Amino acid sequence: DGGITQSPKYLFRKEGQNVTLSCEQNLNHDAMYWYRQDPGQGLRLIYYSQIVNDFQKGDIAEGYSVSREKKESFPLTVTSAQKNPTAFYLCASSIGGLLAKNIQYFGAGTRLSVL
Amino acid sequence: GESVGLHLPTLSVQEGDNSIINCAYSNSASDYFIWYKQESGKGPQFIIDIRSNMDKRQGQRVTVLLNKTVKHLSLQIAATQPGDSAVYFCAENFSGGYNKLIFGAGTRLAVHP
Repeated sequence: DGGITQSPKYLFRKEGQNVTLSCEQNLNHDAMYWYRQDPGQGLRLIYYSQIVNDFQKGDIAEGYSVSREKKESFPLTVTSAQKNPTAFYLCASSIGGLLAKNIQYFGAGTRLSVL
Repeated sequence: GESVGLHLPTLSVQEGDNSIINCAYSNSASDYFIWYKQESGKGPQFIIDIRSNMDKRQGQRVTVLLNKTVKHLSLQIAATQPGDSAVYFCAENFSGGYNKLIFGAGTRLAVHP
């Protein structure tokens, strides 16, 4: 099956702990994205990557870090500096490039809670 | 289910009726628009898109209308079914440096038998 796989589905973080959320895609997409979703709000962009080995901050990057060492993988680390990490995290990918439609396809999400 | 959209506007319809979900977008320079459907505890699913040079586009049971004059987008769902119950998001694509999707807050559609 082609698609985007996020793991784990549920994750719990202790105070002062860094946690990493996994996102893998086998769609051969160049661009990948991380969003945060809180109740009653739309999706907010954390980080995005247009191509392997490159990534840019989104609108709410503070307290998060990413890497893009492989085309198919874009892990997100929620650091201890993120004081309100409880949210639903969504990873997406798209073909990429300014000439292509930016239709983003989403994974099933990871729900992060603080213990 | 997951608590996505606890305080979202809700549209309640009877099964078999037509549904119209509205969205106001923010940027006149946005070049196309996408509707997503998100079921409880799942990621958003692409439904339909429309370019800014079009006024209307039809899919299977869905129609998207675009009014650039008032920056308004709507999604019409014909013969609404219980499986259509979800939160619906519109997104505008703004090509400012890179293609960026700006998402609306969403509308919850509740279909009653």
